[in-house]
Amino acid sequence: DQQVKQNSPSLSVQEGRISILNCDYTNSMFDYFLWYKKYPAEGPTFLISISSIKDKNEDGRFTVFLNKSAKHLSLHIVPSQPGDSAVYFCAASANGGYNKLIFGAGTRLAVHP
Amino acid sequence: EAGVAQSPRYKIIEKRQSVAFWCNPISGHATLYWYQQILGQGPKLLIQFQNNGVVDDSQLPKDRFSAERLKGVDSTLKIQPAKLEDSAVYLCASRNTLNEQFFGPGTRLTVL
Repeated sequence: DQQVKQNSPSLSVQEGRISILNCDYTNSMFDYFLWYKKYPAEGPTFLISISSIKDKNEDGRFTVFLNKSAKHLSLHIVPSQPGDSAVYFCAASANGGYNKLIFGAGTRLAVHP
Repeated sequence: EAGVAQSPRYKIIEKRQSVAFWCNPISGHATLYWYQQILGQGPKLLIQFQNNGVVDDSQLPKDRFSAERLKGVDSTLKIQPAKLEDSAVYLCASRNTLNEQFFGPGTRLTVL
């Protein structure tokens, strides 16, 4: 039972354009969501998080949007840079992030010049 | 600030052998996690520690996997005996007071 789904295994974007990565979840108890970026042979790196009391959180080029009614969140990267090329994982947790993280399968982003 | 340290980075063993992984979390982080990441999937939690106590080990195959965090700092994860399906990357993470989890580089295990 996949509680967190990233339906696009890959995404290709031109440098300077917007990258939009999507994530859907099924468990209504989730109230804390995170995005991680992973380069080959490295562990996931924390990018940005959002609590369910918000619908948007911004950090530099990265913005996460949360639509609780649709159980959907998205990560926007503007502008996209070649160094953003990596696998991006969406993760969700209940109890304000205290509970374990449930990860999606990841989306591989390729930003080309 | 030093990150989460893990060793070894790579390990190749034959099935039915045993293996152990080590993790040193970020200083001051009381919560430590071990995740298993199979190729093409997201990380899956195996066990969560709060200091030296187990909070969640519901997904740990206890017939072959064990983990400990004796002094509430570093931790070891052991597999005995290993099966082919245990081939994966084993990630250790620790959590800060903002509930952000920080991951180590992982140990890539190949079981032949």
